[in-house]
Amino acid sequence: QKEVEQNSGPLSVPEGAIASLNCTYSDRVSQSFFWYRQYSGKSPELIMSIYSNGDKEDGRFTAQLNKASQYVSLLIRDSQPSDSATYLCASRGEGVTGGFKTIFGAGTRLFVKA
Amino acid sequence: DGGITQSPKYLFRKEGQNVTLSCEQNLNHDAMYWYRQDPGQGLRLIYYSQIVNDFQKGDIAEGYSVSREKKESFPLTVTSAQKNPTAFYLCASSPPPGTGSYEQYFGPGTRLTVT
Repeated sequence: QKEVEQNSGPLSVPEGAIASLNCTYSDRVSQSFFWYRQYSGKSPELIMSIYSNGDKEDGRFTAQLNKASQYVSLLIRDSQPSDSATYLCASRGEGVTGGFKTIFGAGTRLFVKA
Repeated sequence: DGGITQSPKYLFRKEGQNVTLSCEQNLNHDAMYWYRQDPGQGLRLIYYSQIVNDFQKGDIAEGYSVSREKKESFPLTVTSAQKNPTAFYLCASSPPPGTGSYEQYFGPGTRLTVT
């Protein structure tokens, strides 16, 4: 199993719907998780971080962490066409040669249809 | 304004030439990272540095070199040994340990094309 896994999508939802993005992780990563949004041709932008089991809400975004099942999700309420992007799930893990690094999933492409 | 800058935004080079990509941050972050992203692909870690004068290889370090002489700067050299250097290169940094914050923040990226 990869350290952080995501369904590559694309995930297509109608405008105004809830978009649900999921990510599973292995025992080789820590309990710190991050969601990034990346528009085509741009650099990733941090949306949310979550460190504790449960839900964390920020505006239209809710991150959910379930440590028992080893998954983390991102819900986007009232999805807008401007939310169309690739969403990267990431966690913190130990580097092979020392220190800590962030481990990224391959990303899920989201399309919000107007 | 605090942030991470990468220059140039677009870079064109001939095959066989070394090229250095700049990354500067004024966020007072200790750790800095270089990633490579190919079209439709995820991020792959090239090198990372936790403190000045120290750095570690990432998953795809072959054909690349870095230095970390200053806290603010982490330049990446793409050498002629790198087989497929054309890609989007992203620099990132993260806050010092002990802050309880482990998020990485990215620069705008440099798109390198080698012909």
